[in-house]
Amino acid sequence: DVKVTQSSRYLVKRTGEKVFLECVQDMDHENMFWYRQDPGLGLRLIYFSYDVKMKEKGDIPEGYSVSREKKERFSLILESASTNQTSMYLCASGLNRGTGQPQHFGDGTRLSIL
Amino acid sequence: AQTVTQSQPEMSVQEAETVTLSCTYDTSESDYYLFWYKQPPSRQMILVIRQEAYKQQNATENRFSVNFQKAAKSFSLKISDSQLGDAAMYFCAYARLGSSNTGKLIFGQGTTLQVKP
Repeated sequence: DVKVTQSSRYLVKRTGEKVFLECVQDMDHENMFWYRQDPGLGLRLIYFSYDVKMKEKGDIPEGYSVSREKKERFSLILESASTNQTSMYLCASGLNRGTGQPQHFGDGTRLSIL
Repeated sequence: AQTVTQSQPEMSVQEAETVTLSCTYDTSESDYYLFWYKQPPSRQMILVIRQEAYKQQNATENRFSVNFQKAAKSFSLKISDSQLGDAAMYFCAYARLGSSNTGKLIFGQGTTLQVKP
């Protein structure tokens, strides 16, 4: 079974802090994704990566950056956390062999910015 | 730009009965994939079912089946013989078929399904 592990289930940080959310997958997937989940809005793509050191902006990249130094690890960085970044963050991974490959999700990190 | 709409924020069903969750999407593409994902409370999101747009036959997975109406851009999920474990938030998602196979998904807003014993 594919395992996508997010470093924290719950995280509380203060406004202005630099926040790191880590995600690791164990299935040698090329693609990795960071989503933000908010009630009534579904999942929105923040950033994705299709290879090591490669990244592309999703629909809501403002205030975020990412890092993929190794194939199995994809980090989401909040450069200067703000209260409007309080949300559930989901990491996912998938094969890059044609659209239609399912994405595999982590458990999510519920982030609160105070 | 493609969009996915789930117009039912919440649904409920009696255990052992059948329920249908609605999803509509907007796209100018002719080839694409559609998915239903399930997110149980405080648990991992998992794939329920997948449909290729070029296949006319509706996908089925045990008690889960879809009604795919390509012309109407509708993709509903039917859950038969509902069980307590089906209680979850369900997301409809769209993936474009193209040369840049990044596998990006566009999600709907989600429908919370309650199953009553």
